[in-house]
Amino acid sequence: GDQVKQSPSALSLQEGTNSALRCNFSIATTTVQWFLQNPRGSLMNLFYLVPGTKENGRLKSTFNSKESYSTLHIRDAQLEDSGTYFCAAEEDNYQLIWGSGTKLIIKP
Amino acid sequence: GALVYQYPRRTICKSGTSMRMECQAVGFQATSVAWYRQSPQKTFELIALSTVNSAIKYEQNFTQEKFPISHPNLSFSSMTVLNAYLEDRGLYLCGARGGQGILRLYFGEGSRLIVV
Repeated sequence: GDQVKQSPSALSLQEGTNSALRCNFSIATTTVQWFLQNPRGSLMNLFYLVPGTKENGRLKSTFNSKESYSTLHIRDAQLEDSGTYFCAAEEDNYQLIWGSGTKLIIKP
Repeated sequence: GALVYQYPRRTICKSGTSMRMECQAVGFQATSVAWYRQSPQKTFELIALSTVNSAIKYEQNFTQEKFPISHPNLSFSSMTVLNAYLEDRGLYLCGARGGQGILRLYFGEGSRLIVV
Protein backbone atom coordinates (compact mmCIF):
# COMPACT_ATOMS: atom_id res chain seq x y z
CA GLY A 1 0.00 0.00 0.00
CA ASP A 2 0.92 3.65 0.10
CA GLN A 3 3.10 3.81 3.16
CA VAL A 4 4.39 7.18 2.02
CA LYS A 5 1.78 9.16 0.17
CA GLN A 6 3.12 12.16 -1.66
CA SER A 7 0.98 14.95 -3.06
CA PRO A 8 0.39 16.43 -5.47
CA SER A 9 1.75 14.06 -8.10
CA ALA A 10 2.32 16.95 -10.49
CA LEU A 11 2.34 20.69 -10.18
CA SER A 12 2.85 23.59 -12.54
CA LEU A 13 3.84 26.94 -11.06
CA GLN A 14 4.47 30.37 -12.41
CA GLU A 15 7.94 31.68 -11.73
CA GLY A 16 8.00 33.74 -8.55
CA THR A 17 5.08 32.02 -6.84
CA ASN A 18 5.04 29.84 -3.73
CA SER A 19 3.89 26.29 -3.17
CA ALA A 20 3.93 23.39 -0.75
CA LEU A 21 4.46 19.69 -1.29
CA ARG A 22 3.38 17.13 1.25
CA CYS A 23 4.10 13.58 2.36
CA ASN A 24 1.83 11.62 4.66
CA PHE A 25 3.20 8.55 6.39
CA SER A 26 1.38 5.43 7.50
CA ILE A 27 4.57 3.90 8.89
CA ALA A 28 6.46 4.81 12.01
CA THR A 29 9.46 6.86 11.07
CA THR A 30 11.83 9.08 12.98
CA THR A 31 13.54 10.74 10.03
CA VAL A 32 12.47 12.09 6.65
CA GLN A 33 14.55 13.10 3.67
CA TRP A 34 13.63 15.27 0.71
CA PHE A 35 15.34 15.04 -2.66
CA LEU A 36 15.12 16.78 -5.99
CA GLN A 37 15.72 14.76 -9.10
CA ASN A 38 16.53 17.29 -11.79
CA PRO A 39 15.40 16.91 -15.41
CA ARG A 40 18.77 15.30 -16.26
CA GLY A 41 18.09 12.59 -13.67
CA SER A 42 20.62 13.50 -10.99
CA LEU A 43 19.45 13.25 -7.41
CA MET A 44 20.13 16.11 -5.04
CA ASN A 45 19.86 15.99 -1.27
CA LEU A 46 17.61 18.77 -0.01
CA PHE A 47 16.81 18.04 3.62
CA TYR A 48 17.37 15.42 6.25
CA LEU A 49 14.87 15.93 9.07
CA VAL A 50 14.19 14.70 12.52
CA PRO A 51 10.94 16.18 13.90
CA GLY A 52 11.10 19.91 13.43
CA THR A 53 11.75 22.46 10.71
CA LYS A 54 14.73 23.30 8.55
CA GLU A 55 15.23 26.11 6.11
CA ASN A 56 17.67 26.50 3.26
CA GLY A 57 17.34 29.55 1.04
CA ARG A 58 13.93 29.52 -0.60
CA LEU A 59 13.14 26.05 0.69
CA LYS A 60 11.68 25.19 4.06
CA SER A 61 10.72 21.75 5.29
CA THR A 62 8.85 20.54 8.33
CA PHE A 63 8.49 17.05 9.74
CA ASN A 64 5.68 16.50 12.21
CA SER A 65 6.15 12.98 13.60
CA LYS A 66 3.07 13.11 15.85
CA GLU A 67 0.77 13.74 12.91
CA SER A 68 2.91 11.71 10.52
CA TYR A 69 3.51 14.18 7.74
CA SER A 70 6.19 16.31 6.22
CA THR A 71 5.94 19.37 4.00
CA LEU A 72 8.33 21.11 1.66
CA HIS A 73 7.64 24.78 0.96
CA ILE A 74 9.09 26.48 -2.08
CA ARG A 75 9.15 30.25 -1.98
CA ASP A 76 9.62 32.45 -5.05
CA ALA A 77 9.89 29.49 -7.40
CA GLN A 78 12.64 29.69 -10.02
CA LEU A 79 13.09 27.81 -13.28
CA GLU A 80 15.90 25.74 -11.79
CA ASP A 81 13.47 24.37 -9.17
CA SER A 82 11.87 22.22 -11.90
CA GLY A 83 12.20 18.48 -11.48
CA THR A 84 10.72 15.67 -9.44
CA TYR A 85 10.69 16.00 -5.65
CA PHE A 86 10.81 12.84 -3.56
CA CYS A 87 10.36 12.37 0.13
CA ALA A 88 11.64 9.23 1.85
CA ALA A 89 11.05 7.85 5.33
CA GLU A 90 13.57 5.57 6.96
CA GLU A 91 11.59 2.63 8.26
CA ASP A 92 14.35 0.30 9.27
CA ASN A 93 18.05 0.82 9.14
CA TYR A 94 18.65 2.06 5.58
CA GLN A 95 15.34 0.70 4.37
CA LEU A 96 13.89 3.87 2.90
CA ILE A 97 10.28 4.03 1.91
CA TRP A 98 10.00 6.54 -0.91
CA GLY A 99 7.08 8.62 -2.01
CA SER A 100 6.06 8.41 -5.64
CA GLY A 101 7.29 11.92 -6.35
CA THR A 102 5.88 15.31 -7.27
CA LYS A 103 6.76 16.44 -10.76
CA LEU A 104 7.18 20.21 -10.61
CA ILE A 105 7.27 22.43 -13.66
CA ILE A 106 8.11 26.10 -13.27
CA LYS A 107 6.88 28.30 -16.08
CA PRO A 108 8.51 31.62 -16.96
CA GLY B 1 30.72 19.77 4.80
CA ALA B 2 29.87 16.16 4.13
CA LEU B 3 29.43 15.07 0.52
CA VAL B 4 29.13 11.87 -1.44
CA TYR B 5 30.47 11.67 -4.99
CA GLN B 6 29.44 8.99 -7.39
CA TYR B 7 31.02 8.17 -10.72
CA PRO B 8 30.58 7.57 -13.49
CA ARG B 9 27.45 9.64 -13.74
CA ARG B 10 26.24 7.74 -16.77
CA THR B 11 27.30 4.59 -18.57
CA ILE B 12 26.00 2.98 -21.73
CA CYS B 13 26.97 -0.66 -21.88
CA LYS B 14 26.23 -3.51 -24.21
CA SER B 15 23.94 -6.23 -23.01
CA GLY B 16 25.94 -8.92 -21.19
CA THR B 17 28.83 -6.68 -20.22
CA SER B 18 29.57 -5.27 -16.77
CA MET B 19 29.64 -1.84 -15.25
CA ARG B 20 31.48 -0.71 -12.13
CA MET B 21 30.41 2.33 -10.18
CA GLU B 22 32.19 4.10 -7.36
CA CYS B 23 31.13 6.05 -4.32
CA GLN B 24 33.41 8.45 -2.48
CA ALA B 25 32.57 10.02 0.89
CA VAL B 26 34.16 13.40 1.54
CA GLY B 27 34.16 15.19 4.86
CA PHE B 28 33.12 12.22 6.97
CA GLN B 29 33.91 8.59 7.53
CA ALA B 30 31.43 6.33 5.80
CA THR B 31 31.13 3.44 8.20
CA SER B 32 28.04 2.26 6.35
CA VAL B 33 27.23 2.47 2.67
CA ALA B 34 23.89 1.46 1.20
CA TRP B 35 23.32 0.97 -2.53
CA TYR B 36 19.92 1.62 -4.04
CA ARG B 37 18.43 1.46 -7.50
CA GLN B 38 15.78 3.67 -9.03
CA SER B 39 14.07 1.79 -11.83
CA PRO B 40 12.98 3.42 -15.12
CA GLN B 41 9.50 3.48 -13.52
CA LYS B 42 11.02 5.72 -10.82
CA THR B 43 10.56 3.29 -7.92
CA PHE B 44 13.44 2.83 -5.50
CA GLU B 45 14.87 -0.40 -4.04
CA LEU B 46 17.57 -1.11 -1.51
CA ILE B 47 20.15 -3.43 -3.04
CA ALA B 48 22.57 -4.01 -0.19
CA LEU B 49 24.07 -2.55 2.92
CA SER B 50 27.80 -2.59 3.54
CA THR B 51 29.19 -1.81 6.98
CA VAL B 52 32.92 -1.76 7.61
CA ASN B 53 34.05 -4.87 9.49
CA SER B 54 30.75 -6.65 8.81
CA ALA B 55 29.48 -8.89 6.06
CA ILE B 56 27.60 -7.16 3.24
CA LYS B 57 23.87 -7.71 3.55
CA TYR B 58 21.93 -8.10 0.31
CA GLU B 59 18.21 -7.57 0.02
CA GLN B 60 15.90 -10.11 -1.53
CA ASN B 61 16.23 -10.19 -5.34
CA PHE B 62 19.82 -8.96 -5.22
CA THR B 63 22.90 -11.17 -4.90
CA GLN B 64 26.61 -10.79 -4.46
CA GLU B 65 27.12 -12.83 -7.61
CA LYS B 66 25.30 -10.18 -9.64
CA PHE B 67 26.15 -7.02 -7.67
CA PRO B 68 29.52 -7.52 -5.98
CA ILE B 69 30.37 -4.71 -3.59
CA SER B 70 33.69 -3.60 -2.17
CA HIS B 71 34.01 -1.32 0.86
CA PRO B 72 37.73 -1.32 1.58
CA ASN B 73 37.93 1.82 3.72
CA LEU B 74 35.89 4.55 5.37
CA SER B 75 35.77 6.79 2.33
CA PHE B 76 35.18 4.50 -0.61
CA SER B 77 32.81 1.85 -1.87
CA SER B 78 32.24 0.34 -5.28
CA MET B 79 29.60 -1.87 -6.79
CA THR B 80 29.65 -3.72 -10.08
CA VAL B 81 26.65 -4.79 -12.13
CA LEU B 82 27.78 -8.01 -13.76
CA ASN B 83 26.33 -9.21 -17.05
CA ALA B 84 23.99 -6.28 -17.31
CA TYR B 85 20.73 -6.74 -19.15
CA LEU B 86 17.76 -4.50 -19.83
CA GLU B 87 16.19 -5.19 -16.43
CA ASP B 88 19.30 -3.76 -14.76
CA ARG B 89 18.73 -0.33 -16.24
CA GLY B 90 18.24 2.51 -13.83
CA LEU B 91 19.87 5.03 -11.55
CA TYR B 92 22.13 3.48 -8.93
CA LEU B 93 22.44 5.50 -5.76
CA CYS B 94 24.96 5.31 -3.00
CA GLY B 95 23.92 6.48 0.47
CA ALA B 96 26.60 6.77 3.13
CA ARG B 97 26.35 7.25 6.85
CA GLY B 98 29.09 8.05 9.32
CA GLY B 99 29.58 6.53 12.73
CA GLN B 100 29.67 8.22 16.12
CA GLY B 101 26.06 9.28 16.13
CA ILE B 102 25.98 10.85 12.68
CA LEU B 103 22.50 9.88 11.63
CA ARG B 104 22.17 11.55 8.29
CA LEU B 105 22.32 9.38 5.20
CA TYR B 106 24.17 11.35 2.52
CA PHE B 107 23.41 10.45 -1.06
CA GLY B 108 25.44 10.81 -4.22
CA GLU B 109 23.82 12.08 -7.39
CA GLY B 110 23.64 8.59 -8.82
CA SER B 111 25.21 6.53 -11.59
CA ARG B 112 22.86 5.90 -14.47
CA LEU B 113 23.14 2.59 -16.28
CA ILE B 114 21.80 2.34 -19.81
CA VAL B 115 21.94 -1.11 -21.41
CA VAL B 116 21.75 -1.44 -25.18
